[in-house]
Amino acid sequence: DIQVTQSPSTLSASVGDSVTITCRASQSITSWLAWYQQKPGKAPKLLIYKASTLEPGVPSRFSGSGSGTEFTLTISSLQPDDFATYYCQQYNSYSLTFGGGTKVEIK
Amino acid sequence: QVQLVQSGAEVKKPGSSVKVSCKASGGTFTSSAISWVRQAPGQGLEWMGGIIPMFGTTNYAQKFQGTVSITTDESASTAYMELSSLRCEDTAVYYCARGPPEPGYFDYWGQGTLVSVSS
Repeated sequence: DIQVTQSPSTLSASVGDSVTITCRASQSITSWLAWYQQKPGKAPKLLIYKASTLEPGVPSRFSGSGSGTEFTLTISSLQPDDFATYYCQQYNSYSLTFGGGTKVEIK
Repeated sequence: QVQLVQSGAEVKKPGSSVKVSCKASGGTFTSSAISWVRQAPGQGLEWMGGIIPMFGTTNYAQKFQGTVSITTDESASTAYMELSSLRCEDTAVYYCARGPPEPGYFDYWGQGTLVSVSS
């Protein structure tokens, strides 16, 4: 199975900050990577797919980049609604796998 | 608007089985895939497996081979996940999620079903 490692596991930031989360795959997954946001008690919400394509309705302050084995999710100006946990997921092949998550906390 | 509505919370004994349902509406059920993803308390997301209703084909994570069974009732646009030989460590929220009929991402999710396993 392809392993996906996310870092950092926790990130403290302030409203207005720009933050970056990294996801590394154990082998090349070309661009087959998605990012999700999850708030407590809620199902995950798709933000980005194919590494950099924004899901309709997702604010443009979210962006994704990368290919091969290294990927990033950037939130350009954190808003109060963005404090949540973020997960990456590879879909290059079965078994589908998720990163361990990054909790973005208020500093 | 696609909606996935799951069955309610369950409390089970170790060694028993649980079957969770996921009813889809507002989309094309048979040409999508439905996956099941679980989340233990305070932990991350774990893909368990999925099914393509149109073909009836399933894929399971190796960890769950032999203990999970994913089925569908196309006439009811409903997918099911049955987990057997339950252990306390299976206590988790179980989500169904819609994806394409090949390895893919999930654009719609159910609301989640809490399964608690305790003696």
